[in-house]
Amino acid sequence: NAGVTQTPKFRVLKTGQSMTLLCAQDMNHEYMYWYRQDPGMGLRLIHYSVGEGTTAKGEVPDGYNVSRLKKQNFLLGLESAAPSQTSVYFCASSYRRGGPDTQYFGPGTRLTVL
Amino acid sequence: AQKITQTQPGMFVQEKEAVTLDCTYDTSDPSYGLFWYKQPSSGEMIFLIYQGSYDQQNATEGRYSLNFQKARKSANLVISASQLGDSAMYFCAILTPSGYSTLTFGKGTMLLVSP
Repeated sequence: NAGVTQTPKFRVLKTGQSMTLLCAQDMNHEYMYWYRQDPGMGLRLIHYSVGEGTTAKGEVPDGYNVSRLKKQNFLLGLESAAPSQTSVYFCASSYRRGGPDTQYFGPGTRLTVL
Repeated sequence: AQKITQTQPGMFVQEKEAVTLDCTYDTSDPSYGLFWYKQPSSGEMIFLIYQGSYDQQNATEGRYSLNFQKARKSANLVISASQLGDSAMYFCAILTPSGYSTLTFGKGTMLLVSP
């Protein structure tokens, strides 16, 4: 039982390049989330998914796209990376909506855009 | 909209002493959940404790307890008998139905435990 895993752990991009971050969970969780963490800002929600095939925008969605083709996977895409997207990206998952819906986090991906 | 405020950017405590990390929240939802996460220097986010808005008793998990004062809209984390390994960033977060059951985080408090 690996919990929530993220690939890759580190990445350096040049401005304008694209990339996809992969999040996988083996807990059969319905909900999955992508956050970014910047110094002094805490974590901010980018996009989330309430189930396979569904996605929704969070607080800071611009410049990102997501897909949830399989229940266990949630992909975060950057089509044209910008230096402002330099951040640490966390994926999380939770079992269901409402109640003590604890979110479990992956280890994070540190992305630098030059 | 929901909001979390953590007013202490940093806190210092000596080993074996207790420490309280402050968290105040704002929401118009009658039903909500409050969470505390720990982020050590290694970067992972570790769930510590949860308090539901309708829970009658304050939540406790080992050395962690949540001092929930609903009228004041505060949910302070109390760590008893601090250990060196408690040195980390601590985040308070709220989950509300009107927020689509997504977490809204505060900016965090850095706790340093000295020998």
